[in-house]
Amino acid sequence: NAGVTQTPKFRVLKTGQSMTLLCAQDMNHEYMYWYRQDPGMGLRLIHYSVGEGTTAKGEVPDGYNVSRLKKQNFLLGLESAAPSQTSVYFCASRGPAEETQYFGPGTRLLVL
Amino acid sequence: KNEVEQSPQNLTAQEGEFITINCSYSVGISALHWLQQHPGGGIVSLFMLSSGKKKHGRLIATINIQEKHSSLHITASHPRDSAVYICAVRRGGADGLTFGKGTHLIIQP
Repeated sequence: NAGVTQTPKFRVLKTGQSMTLLCAQDMNHEYMYWYRQDPGMGLRLIHYSVGEGTTAKGEVPDGYNVSRLKKQNFLLGLESAAPSQTSVYFCASRGPAEETQYFGPGTRLLVL
Repeated sequence: KNEVEQSPQNLTAQEGEFITINCSYSVGISALHWLQQHPGGGIVSLFMLSSGKKKHGRLIATINIQEKHSSLHITASHPRDSAVYICAVRRGGADGLTFGKGTHLIIQP
């Protein structure tokens, strides 16, 4: 039981490049979330999903797209990376009947 | 003004001291969370509160819904308690969490 895993752990991009961050959970959770963490800002919600095939915008969705084609996976895409997207990205999941969110280990992204 | 405010932002204490971290929020919530983040980044859930008080080992968390305030206490603090402690609230439904900026705690031997 791996919990929540994220791929990759670290990535360097050039401005304008695209990439996809993968979040996978093996707890059969309905709800999944993408957050970003920046110094002095705290974590902020980017997008979330309440089930397979559904997505919704969070607090800071601009510049990101997401997909939830399978229940266990939640993908975060950057179509054209910008230096402002340099951050640490955390995925989390929870079941609808429980309150605890389980976090992945994070992906550190640097956009040059 | 942030919806979730934590104080202090930084705290350095000696081993054995009683630690208090405060969290105030300005919106209606269904639950309040306390999370811990160690250097290296992993985030772990410590407590979820909707009312009253919870205790786990040397950690105690309380919430006052009327005053929109929560506290996290650490008794007999130890250097291994050094971490960032984060308060977060959930408004309801499937909403994600809204986070405070965190309190960076250092416990010196």
